[in-house]
Amino acid sequence: DAGVTQSPTHLIKTRGQQVTLRCSPKSGHDTVSWYQQALGQGPQFIFQYYEEEERQRGNFPDRFSGHQFPNYSSELNVNALLLGDSALYLCASSSSQLAATDTQYFGPGTRLTVL
Amino acid sequence: LAKTTQPISMDSYEGQEVNITCSHNNIATNDYITWYQQFPSQGPRFIIQGYKTKVTNEVASLFIPADRKSSTLSLPRVSLSDTAVYYCLVGAISSGSARQLTFGSGTQLTVLP
Repeated sequence: DAGVTQSPTHLIKTRGQQVTLRCSPKSGHDTVSWYQQALGQGPQFIFQYYEEEERQRGNFPDRFSGHQFPNYSSELNVNALLLGDSALYLCASSSSQLAATDTQYFGPGTRLTVL
Repeated sequence: LAKTTQPISMDSYEGQEVNITCSHNNIATNDYITWYQQFPSQGPRFIIQGYKTKVTNEVASLFIPADRKSSTLSLPRVSLSDTAVYYCLVGAISSGSARQLTFGSGTQLTVLP
């Protein structure tokens, strides 16, 4: 049973570019949340996708957008990259069929470096 | 969301019991307390969750006093592999929707040989 997977593992971009990160949820999960973790800080919630729609959103600008596909996988897109977007981007999955708990399963993350 | 306060760092030795305390003075009636563990360059991993009194699983114990304004994560007989950042989170749980998790800065636990 595969857990949450993310790609790519590492990514280097320059300011102003656009980036797409990908996430496949744990088998049986249909909800995907994205988090940004800057160095030395805890993860910060970006947004959550369920039934191919954004359901919740944290305090992030519109440069951050996402998508969820019919197979529940998800993408995070960041436009007009800034140096401050350098971080570890984490994907977490969960199931809407269960009473929601904090047992969200996290992937290994994508390390984004903006030069 | 209730704010949490935990020590920035703690050191321990192998084989010792480690207790990490988290303060959450503004915890709401329907809030649960949850702890996550995170190793470098990995995603956080759920450790334990509770509402009141004591909860124990194969990894840790969680002690919550009657007023619920604090909680203590207890790790029995730690090993070097328990070196990680530990996060305390509080928040409500609702059915059918995973809530957004609010992480603080966490506690860096370093286990020494």
